[in-house]
Amino acid sequence: GAVVSQHPSRVICKSGTSVKIECRSLDFQATTMFWYRQFPKQSLMLMATSNEGSKATYEQGVEKDKFLINHASLTLSTLTVTSAHPEDSSFYICSASGSRQETQYFGPGTRLLVL
Amino acid sequence: QKEVEQDPGPLSVPEGAIVSLNCTYSNSAFQYFMWYRQYSRKGPELLMYTYSSGNKEDGRFTAQVDKSSKYISLFIRDSQPSDSATYLCAMREGAQKLVFGQGTRLTINP
Repeated sequence: GAVVSQHPSRVICKSGTSVKIECRSLDFQATTMFWYRQFPKQSLMLMATSNEGSKATYEQGVEKDKFLINHASLTLSTLTVTSAHPEDSSFYICSASGSRQETQYFGPGTRLLVL
Repeated sequence: QKEVEQDPGPLSVPEGAIVSLNCTYSNSAFQYFMWYRQYSRKGPELLMYTYSSGNKEDGRFTAQVDKSSKYISLFIRDSQPSDSATYLCAMREGAQKLVFGQGTRLTINP
């Protein structure tokens, strides 16, 4: 159990375009979902936390207008990188926790390359 | 000082050895402790989850939490080349966000 999927696994886009990444909890209801960014050989950096039906809470320094997060249902959250630039290239990982919120289960990650 | 300290390694051991991975932390309010394994270009995979102090064993993996010393460990017995990965400790206080260690890169040599 506790499977989280992400789509797409890799995406290459041109500078200035927007990219949407989906995160789904496949076998449990995710009351809270988290979005992380990870640079090579570094740990995970939390970008934002979202609860189903509520606005996301962004970490300090994360532009909410650039990284749009929607958590419309208990099994789906989306991250949209708007007007992407090369510096947005990174590994984006989502995680989800259930109603007991004991721990987080991570998706496989999405590698974004902006040309 | 970081809230969670973890030696980034790299750590290289021969196959079959016992591996010891550790993290120290400064926030005495942390209650939930986790170890994740992350293969290259993949998302972290939950290995062990512990609440408060004590030991927990799952197959070849043993997690230990010593809250009095603010020190947690993960032991891997009979290590295999497939255990080669980055191991991340993570912890949190109540419903707060997870705080991660930097991750230790481990290589098991055949």
